[in-house]
Amino acid sequence: EEQLVESGGGLVQPGGSLRLSCAASGFTSSNHWMSWVRQAPGKGLEWVANIKQDASEKYYVDSVKGRFSISRDNTKNSVYLQMNSLRAEDTAVYYCARVDVVLWGYGMDVWGQGTTVTVSS
Amino acid sequence: DVVMTQSPLSLPVTLGQPASISCRSSQSLVYSDGNTYLNWFQQRPGQSPRRLIYKLSNRDSGVPDRFSGSGSGTDFTLKISRVEAEDVGVYYCMQGTHWPSYTFGQGTKLEIK
Repeated sequence: EEQLVESGGGLVQPGGSLRLSCAASGFTSSNHWMSWVRQAPGKGLEWVANIKQDASEKYYVDSVKGRFSISRDNTKNSVYLQMNSLRAEDTAVYYCARVDVVLWGYGMDVWGQGTTVTVSS
Repeated sequence: DVVMTQSPLSLPVTLGQPASISCRSSQSLVYSDGNTYLNWFQQRPGQSPRRLIYKLSNRDSGVPDRFSGSGSGTDFTLKISRVEAEDVGVYYCMQGTHWPSYTFGQGTKLEIK
């Protein structure tokens, strides 16, 4: 079964840092672009970041540029999201998602269960 | 930036009746290859999102044929021919044309009347 499992969420103070991890199983993640998508409490989905198969290209939503960094380790079938200078508005469930191997335009075809990040003093 | 606008935001439907969700984009979603990369996702209560439809009208494996996607340019529709109890949840459209970013609509909450 193709699966993504996120970890690393928790409670952090404003201005703090957190590193999320996403472990893939049942498929080779190095064949796919990978994404992070977040969902604030009671709100909709927001795309956060994309990373290419070889990590040579990375893209971010404007609100996290300069603060978040996406990376991957294909030897571990894993993707990461380093989050620095966290703000209250970053509070959300963070989903790791696999981008369809056929074409990026098809969006995400496998999603993790999510990990919760709470930014509060 | 592309803005995706869904309507209605809340959709009460009687079991067995049809349902329709509209999604409009602020820019054309026709890509240079002639394809339209508009996708639909379902999020059931307490669950992660799940893709239902990709590239405008293609159903994902396991998605019932009562779900269909259509539209062109900037106007798109997700239709459910006969709503069942398991269809309760929030539905999102998402554009993939204006890569390398994705944009979701605000979501439409479908509930049973």
